[in-house]
Amino acid sequence: DQQVKQNSPSLSVQEGRISILNCDYTNSMFDYFLWYKKYPAEGPTFLISISSIKDKNEDGRFTVFLNKSAKHLSLHIVPSQPGDSAVYFCAASVDTGRRALTFGSGTRLQVQP
Amino acid sequence: NAGVTQTPKFRVLKTGQSMTLLCAQDMNHEYMYWYRQDPGMGLRLIHYSVGEGTTAKGEVPDGYNVSRLKKQNFLLGLESAAPSQTSVYFCASSYHVTGLVSNQPQHFGDGTRLSIL
Repeated sequence: DQQVKQNSPSLSVQEGRISILNCDYTNSMFDYFLWYKKYPAEGPTFLISISSIKDKNEDGRFTVFLNKSAKHLSLHIVPSQPGDSAVYFCAASVDTGRRALTFGSGTRLQVQP
Repeated sequence: NAGVTQTPKFRVLKTGQSMTLLCAQDMNHEYMYWYRQDPGMGLRLIHYSVGEGTTAKGEVPDGYNVSRLKKQNFLLGLESAAPSQTSVYFCASSYHVTGLVSNQPQHFGDGTRLSIL
């Protein structure tokens, strides 16, 4: 049973527009959520995170929103750039103990020039 | 500043052969992890370590063993490789922070692509 789901395998957006990537989770024990970006033949690179005590976190062009009641989070990229084209993974963890990440299956974002 | 380094980057094995994947981190992180990534799936946790000399099982540990003899190194072993272990393997590390909000993300290596024939 997938505890973290990314239901959109791919997303295509025009340069300069907003990209919105979505993620749903089922485990109510998760209290730390992250987004990773992955290019081919490279490891995932940390992008942005949010604790369950917050509902929004911003870092430059990237904003993550958390809706705990809906068990949903989203990543907004504004404005989107061609260099943002990559696979984006949503991940979640329980912030005690092993702190291992549970990943979604990823969304491939393509930003068209 | 190397971060997390994985060796080798690629390897082809025959069924039944054994090998060890090496992960080294230079960030003095306490926690280290091994994940595998298969097509169309997210990364799944194989084994992890919360400190030197300690290891524990993750979600998909069967067929793998690990050791953490030194804080900076985390080894993943395949004793008798099987085709089902064909995958891309990622190592990660992170700080241990006590408190309500740790905000300490895991840092990943670039992966080892392993094919078992």
